[in-house]
Amino acid sequence: AQSVTQLDSQVPVFEEAPVELRCNYSSSVSVYLFWYVQYPNQGLQLLLKYLSGSTLVESINGFEAEFNKSQTSFHLRKPSVHISDTAEYFCAVRRAGSYQLTFGKGTKLSVIP
Amino acid sequence: GAGVSQSPRYKVTKRGQDVALRCDPISGHVSLYWYRQALGQGPEFLTYFNYEAQQDKSGLPNDRFSAERPEGSISTLTIQRTEQRDSAMYRCASSLVLTGGQETQYFGPGTRLLVL
Repeated sequence: AQSVTQLDSQVPVFEEAPVELRCNYSSSVSVYLFWYVQYPNQGLQLLLKYLSGSTLVESINGFEAEFNKSQTSFHLRKPSVHISDTAEYFCAVRRAGSYQLTFGKGTKLSVIP
Repeated sequence: GAGVSQSPRYKVTKRGQDVALRCDPISGHVSLYWYRQALGQGPEFLTYFNYEAQQDKSGLPNDRFSAERPEGSISTLTIQRTEQRDSAMYRCASSLVLTGGQETQYFGPGTRLLVL
């Protein structure tokens, strides 16, 4: 079985500062990795995903994540955050060939003006 | 087109009552998933449908929980004899086709259930 660890439950950061949200996973088989975001009063939305190929994946709003197999990590980064990035971010893993998503506990990002 | 919709958005019920939570997936999506999210936790898998067939219900916590998708579209998650520990956000997701785990699951807004 796979598991996902998001060590930081809350991350406050000033506007225009960089941010990194950490995600580590454990799995004995190949996995696909996802970051979902939940804005206040909205449902979960896919932010980005790693399936194969380049280990660096990007979203349309400036976030990026890098798959590091040796460290079993998939950290999410943004060089300069905006107020509108305030949300809860969930890292998730799915075993290749499976359909179940296994989520971390989430990280609440608060951007301070 | 419209995204995944769920109803009701909020449900308050008394312990012992039955509740039915509805999920309307994105039109044409073959697969449908139910997850439960307790406060301070990430979503946890409950069950999964491929068309009308319930392929996996291993995540359902006990026999008070059941789900159906009779015509391969709308799904209902039913909780009988609710207990306070059932209080959570119930999330539904759908995906277009099965591609060995690569397909994106699109989530609805969720139903927040509170059992008094």
